[in-house]
Amino acid sequence: AQSVAQPEDQVNVAEGNPLTVKCTYSVSGNPYLFWYVQYPNRGLQFLLKYITGDNLVKGSYGFEAEFNKSQTSFHLKKPSALVSDSALYFCAVRGHNFNKFYFGSGTKLNVKP
Amino acid sequence: DSGVTQTPKHLITATGQRVTLRCSPRSGDLSVYWYQQSLDQGLQFLIQYYNGEERAKGNILERFSAQQFPDLHSELNLSSLELGDSALYFCASSARDRGDEKLFFGSGTQLSVL
Repeated sequence: AQSVAQPEDQVNVAEGNPLTVKCTYSVSGNPYLFWYVQYPNRGLQFLLKYITGDNLVKGSYGFEAEFNKSQTSFHLKKPSALVSDSALYFCAVRGHNFNKFYFGSGTKLNVKP
Repeated sequence: DSGVTQTPKHLITATGQRVTLRCSPRSGDLSVYWYQQSLDQGLQFLIQYYNGEERAKGNILERFSAQQFPDLHSELNLSSLELGDSALYFCASSARDRGDEKLFFGSGTQLSVL
């Protein structure tokens, strides 16, 4: 069965510091992995995806994510956080043979000035 | 703006009632997905349609049903509503049904069952 886990409900970081939002997954076969961001009273917006190839994926707004097959992880990272990055972040996984798109429980990122 | 339109934005109703949520996907997108977001359950996949046909089913209750029409818009029908059905309901669309496609989300319909 497919699943995705975000072990942290909330991540707090100071502006200018690096940030990491964690995600681990379970899927049969090779996964398609995604990160989405949700701002208050808005729908989810696509940030980046991993399909194949380079394990480091670059996305919107300076975010990047590292795919680690041995640890079945896909952590979201940014070298220098901005207050405007404060939002709810969702990791999602979809297997090659499955139509269902599974989302994690979400991690609230708080960036303090 | 994602290009996905959901109406209404807010809906307040009573237990036992029936409501219909509407979604217009991005122009040209054939796939429509419905999700329920609540504080205790997170983002739950309900159902997916592709070009009018049901493609995948998630944790959708029997009291809920959906369809996608020939013009590709979709409706989610919720009946015999309970307090626990109060949630934010999202529609998303994608061009086809490939696993590597990203989804475009609407702004959601906030349903309050009183």
